Amino acid sequence: AQKITQTQPGMFVQEKEAVTLDCTYDTSDPSYGLFWYKQPSSGEMIFLIYQGSYDQQNATEGRYSLNFQKARKSANLVISASQLGDSAMYFCAMREATPLTQGGSEKLVFGKGTKLTVNP
Amino acid sequence: DVKVTQSSRYLVKRTGEKVFLECVQDMDHENMFWYRQDPGLGLRLIYFSYDVKMKEKGDIPEGYSVSREKKERFSLILESASTNQTSMYLCASSPGYSNQPQHFGDGTRLSIL
Repeated sequence: AQKITQTQPGMFVQEKEAVTLDCTYDTSDPSYGLFWYKQPSSGEMIFLIYQGSYDQQNATEGRYSLNFQKARKSANLVISASQLGDSAMYFCAMREATPLTQGGSEKLVFGKGTKLTVNP
Repeated sequence: DVKVTQSSRYLVKRTGEKVFLECVQDMDHENMFWYRQDPGLGLRLIYFSYDVKMKEKGDIPEGYSVSREKKERFSLILESASTNQTSMYLCASSPGYSNQPQHFGDGTRLSIL
């Protein structure tokens, strides 16, 4: 079964500094996708960044980058130049990439999240 | 932009009531999902659907049912609400491509008294 582990229940960072949020995963599927979501206190889940298991380069989206180490089964999120608005819960999630038509599933498995607090 | 709309942000119901949570997406996505989120437990999948009138059980389907009569709408039904169903409910949709994210609604905070 697929599993996502986020070992940091809470993290603190000073404004304008970089922070790394850890995510490790476990799967026997050779093809899978990894996602990071942000959830502010208002509750909505906001998609941040995606990494495919066969992608050769680490994904980047603005101030977000993903440090993907396939052999270690880790997909850590790096936020550069933290802002006060980055304070939120962050969730790592995994989905197997085999399509439904080939017996796969579109389900996402989520980690339990990391609460990030950015201090001024 | 993808828009997933949940009918209520906050809802209060009584035990034994039949409760409907509605979700509508405007991007013609094939897949739709219902999750519940509880402190310390993260997000857990209740049901999902990959086509009209199709549904699949997720990890915690007990006490819930779903309906998908139209592609854009996915309803979650609590047949007889109980206090342990007090939770945050999140609806999501996605197209049928593995590298595309699920897009979430704003969530419904449901309290069962």
